[in-house]
Amino acid sequence: KAGVTQTPRYLIKTRGQQVTLSCSPISGHRSVSWYQQTPGQGLQFLFEYFSETQRNKGNFPGRFSGRQFSNSRSEMNVSTLELGDSALYLCATQGHSTGELFFGEGSRLTVL
Amino acid sequence: KQEVTQIPAALSVPEGENLVLNCSFTDSAIYNLQWFRQDPGKGLTSLLLIQSSQREQTSGRLNASLDKSSGRSTLYIAASQPGDSATYLCAYGRGNAGNMLTFGGGTRLMVKP
Repeated sequence: KAGVTQTPRYLIKTRGQQVTLSCSPISGHRSVSWYQQTPGQGLQFLFEYFSETQRNKGNFPGRFSGRQFSNSRSEMNVSTLELGDSALYLCATQGHSTGELFFGEGSRLTVL
Repeated sequence: KQEVTQIPAALSVPEGENLVLNCSFTDSAIYNLQWFRQDPGKGLTSLLLIQSSQREQTSGRLNASLDKSSGRSTLYIAASQPGDSATYLCAYGRGNAGNMLTFGGGTRLMVKP
């Protein structure tokens, strides 16, 4: 059974650019959530999607957005990149009835 | 703001030791608590999930307990091995918050051969 797949794994952008990250959940998992991990702030919740609808949103500016497609794949977008957006972005999908979350390997974004 | 504190922040032990990692939280409305392992530069691997109605869960050499009344969870690792070296994170979810987890800062474990 394939795990959570995130692409790209690594990317470098410059300030002011925008970036799109992709997450393919485990087959059958309909909930996808996104987290940002930085050395200073640790892991912080960005947003969660379920059945193509945003179900929860963390405390991030509007430059951070996401969406979910009918096949449960999700994308997140960060516009007008800032140096502080450099982080590991992790996607997680939920196990069926237990609430257990399964994470991907992450997308490491470096903003120069 | 609800917080999760993990103590110690870092731990170095010789191989074979039994050890306990601590996680404390201030939110009384937790729905479940999950322990994860993270290797450098990697994603999170789920270790154990404890529902709020449970007291503990076991998997191999790992045992996690949950005491909601005191706001504490512990992860016990028996007979530690160098391969256990990683950062261990605890996180809780609230029943009314979907899959939004609140994470602790982690305990960085080094097991020396």
